Formats: sequence, structure tokens, C-alpha cells
Amino acid sequence: DAGVIQSPRHEVTEMGQEVTLRCKPISGHNSLFWYRQTMMRGLELLIYFNNNVPIDDSGMPEDRFSAKMPNASFSTLKIQPSEPRDSAVYFCASSDRGANVLTFGAGSRLTVL
Amino acid sequence: GDSVTQMEGPVTLSEEAFLTINCTYTATGYPSLFWYVQYPGEGLQLLLKATKADDKGSNKGFEATYRKETTSFHLEKGSVQVSDSAVYFCAPLPRGSRLTFGEGTQLTVNP
Repeated sequence: DAGVIQSPRHEVTEMGQEVTLRCKPISGHNSLFWYRQTMMRGLELLIYFNNNVPIDDSGMPEDRFSAKMPNASFSTLKIQPSEPRDSAVYFCASSDRGANVLTFGAGSRLTVL
Repeated sequence: GDSVTQMEGPVTLSEEAFLTINCTYTATGYPSLFWYVQYPGEGLQLLLKATKADDKGSNKGFEATYRKETTSFHLEKGSVQVSDSAVYFCAPLPRGSRLTFGEGTQLTVNP
């Protein structure tokens, strides 16, 4: 298995632009998580899905952030409009038994100028 | 609520030194306990886990014992290597809930 695949690995954009981050979880895993990592706040859970259904989105910072999981093999995290304070590394992770052992992707490093 | 407290970093050691990274938690009931490691430029990966009191998780020379009486899960390694340089995260998983990650402890091992 190729593991959790995220794209893009790096994104540099200007304030106000829309950003879409993508994630392909491990086949057969039924839970998917989006995390954000910054020096100031550490690792924050943004949202997680079970069987493609959003379960807890209380970590999503504000309405500019949205996440979807249209099927078991794909999820997106969208920021519109982006702001410099959104600059971070965004990780996707999946697991096959609720929030037990997580397998993380390599992350998407976002820089908003 | 559920929370985890990790030893503050950064920690800098010489090769072959003994390592301890402290972790204590508060959680409802008896959670499963995990240590994750993040190497530079990568995502987190599971290092070891323990699912019940007195269990010892081990992997790659690292060990941690689930201590119910002190609600702790300290990470230890007898002889660190340069390749162990990474950020280490303690993470309790309360039953019926989801993982809570600690702040992470940066470890640098010098040759």
C-alpha cells in the first residue's frame, strides 16, 4: 500500500486565493482526519470523518474552511479566501478502527503571502 | 476534560545517552496510550502503544509502560542514536473518544 497520499506537498499562494488540499486515505480505512500543525499551536484536529460522514468539525477555525469526503477514497480541505495566518502544514490521516492507530500522510505545506 | 502533558523540549543529547521523555495524562476511564514520532519533513507515525495498565509498549529500542496509578506513559531508550532525532508526541485515546496529542518534544541527538 502506498500509504496516505496528500497533494500538493507544497503550495504558495497569495492572500485571498482559494486553496484546495487533497487526500487519498489507505484503502479499507473508514476514518479520515485533517490536522493542522504550526509552531505556535502544535497539532490541531480540524475535522474527522467516519464512513465518509463528518463526525466532528469543531476544530475547523472558521467558515473559510470546509472539508468534504465524497467517497471512501478521497477527501478535500478547502480554504476560501486564504489568509497569511493559515500558513501551516496540513496533515491527513486515516485509520481502520475509529480513532485508534492513525496513519499520516506526508503533509501539505501551505504558505499564504 | 481529557488532556496530556509532555515534557517540554527541546531535548539535546549525545549519542548513546539515556533518554526519558515524560508524559502524564488525564482521561475518563482507562485510555489506550500511544507514542508517535515525527521525523523531519514527514508526517507522524506510530512508535509504540499500550492498551491496558502495566502493559509495556516497545519498538526500535524505545519502551513505555502504562502506569495507571501515576497516569503516566514515559518514553525511554537506553542508548539514543543520531537517527532518533525527531519530535515525539504522547497521545492518550480515551474509550469512545479520539486521540489527543501532546505538544510534542523535540529531540536532537548529536554525534
